[in-house]
Amino acid sequence: GAGVSQSPRYKVAKRGQDVALRCDPISGHVSLFWYQQALGQGPEFLTYFQNEAQLDKSGLPSDRFFAERPEGSVSTLKIQRTQQEDSAVYLCASSFVLETQYFGPGTRLLVL
Amino acid sequence: AQSVSQHNHHVILSEAASLELGCNYSYGGTVNLFWYVQYPGQHLQLLLKYFSGDPLVKGIKGFEAEFIKSKFSFNLRKPSVQWSDTAEYFCAVNSGGSNYKLTFGKGTLLTVNP
Repeated sequence: GAGVSQSPRYKVAKRGQDVALRCDPISGHVSLFWYQQALGQGPEFLTYFQNEAQLDKSGLPSDRFFAERPEGSVSTLKIQRTQQEDSAVYLCASSFVLETQYFGPGTRLLVL
Repeated sequence: AQSVSQHNHHVILSEAASLELGCNYSYGGTVNLFWYVQYPGQHLQLLLKYFSGDPLVKGIKGFEAEFIKSKFSFNLRKPSVQWSDTAEYFCAVNSGGSNYKLTFGKGTLLTVNP
């Protein structure tokens, strides 16, 4: 079946602009994760959902970052008042309960 | 907090050479270990994983990894690499009460010359 999809694939934002990144997980996957990957680094955990419940948001770098999954399927990561240090690839992953995580292609965000 | 170290930032090999990429983690409890690969222009894909049982794990495309608990290591190996193995390889771990949260190493870029 279809894998994890993310949109947009690329986003250029002016500093101070709000952005919204979308993730469509694999159908039936209960768990959904967001990671941030800076250039030259491995992915770093941001937040975790089980169905619609956000069970861990300890990795969100500031209160400008907000994630939601209102119906337990599609998720949106929102970044308010973007800063240059927010430039990174944002990865979404999903899994059936807590099994292997399957990653999407990522959204590459560039903040100018 | 757990951490993952990948010793090599960039490895360059010729086709048919043997490969070993190092991975060490810092966590004393029960761990789940993973190797992910990212081919140029593609998304992260699972190569292999270890949850329990036989510490020698075989994955896709001829890759294998050995979990050595006493050394906190999970090195990736392949006896004979191909040009198509050119990619970035990430070791990851999750453990204990946070057994959903993957902690990744910084990755190793493998370049295989034909």
